[in-house]
Amino acid sequence: IAGITQAPTSQILAAGRRMTLRCTQDMRHNAMYWYRQDLGLGLRLIHYSNTAGTTGKGEVPDGYSVSRANTDDFPLTLASAVPSQTSVYFCASSAEPADSSPLHFGNGTRLTVT
Amino acid sequence: GQNIDQPTEMTATEGAIVQINCTYQTSGFNGLFWYQQHAGEAPTFLSYNVLDGLEEKGRFSSFLSRSKGYSYLLLKELQMKDSASYLCAVRDSNYQLIWGAGTKLIIKP
Repeated sequence: IAGITQAPTSQILAAGRRMTLRCTQDMRHNAMYWYRQDLGLGLRLIHYSNTAGTTGKGEVPDGYSVSRANTDDFPLTLASAVPSQTSVYFCASSAEPADSSPLHFGNGTRLTVT
Repeated sequence: GQNIDQPTEMTATEGAIVQINCTYQTSGFNGLFWYQQHAGEAPTFLSYNVLDGLEEKGRFSSFLSRSKGYSYLLLKELQMKDSASYLCAVRDSNYQLIWGAGTKLIIKP
């Protein structure tokens, strides 16, 4: 089934630990995104990539890094987790970054930092 | 700053019609999206408006007025499965999506 796969589904992480959230899409979409979703707030963009080999910072990039070595994969790394990074993380993709094509979302990773 | 406003929660009755409003103040406008998100699941695309007017898609319709910075999502013949959060998002002048916090819709029998 075509779509976006995120892993892990959920994770409890000790503060200070490093963690990589994985995201893979098989739709050959050019643009990919990482969002966090917190109760009472809209989705907030962490980092994005308009095409393989390029990345950009979103609204809340501090403490996170990404890479886009190929079209399909867009991992998100927390270098040293802090409790404020407890959230649900969604990876998304779209055919192109700036047109009417909608975002397709993965099922999310629920991360708890203790 | 950029802002998207939606009601936090709405309640409606099965079989009825409900209108969910979204007002926005953004730096530029390059389209407005509506998404549906069931609890614990990913958002899924419902509709896209870039020109003023009504877009109809089955039981769901979305309206846009760019001069008023206003959109609404209209859901007809409500079903229990329509209980979900509805997210409004605007693409700004930099083509970034600005998201509202979502409207939780509760459907009662």
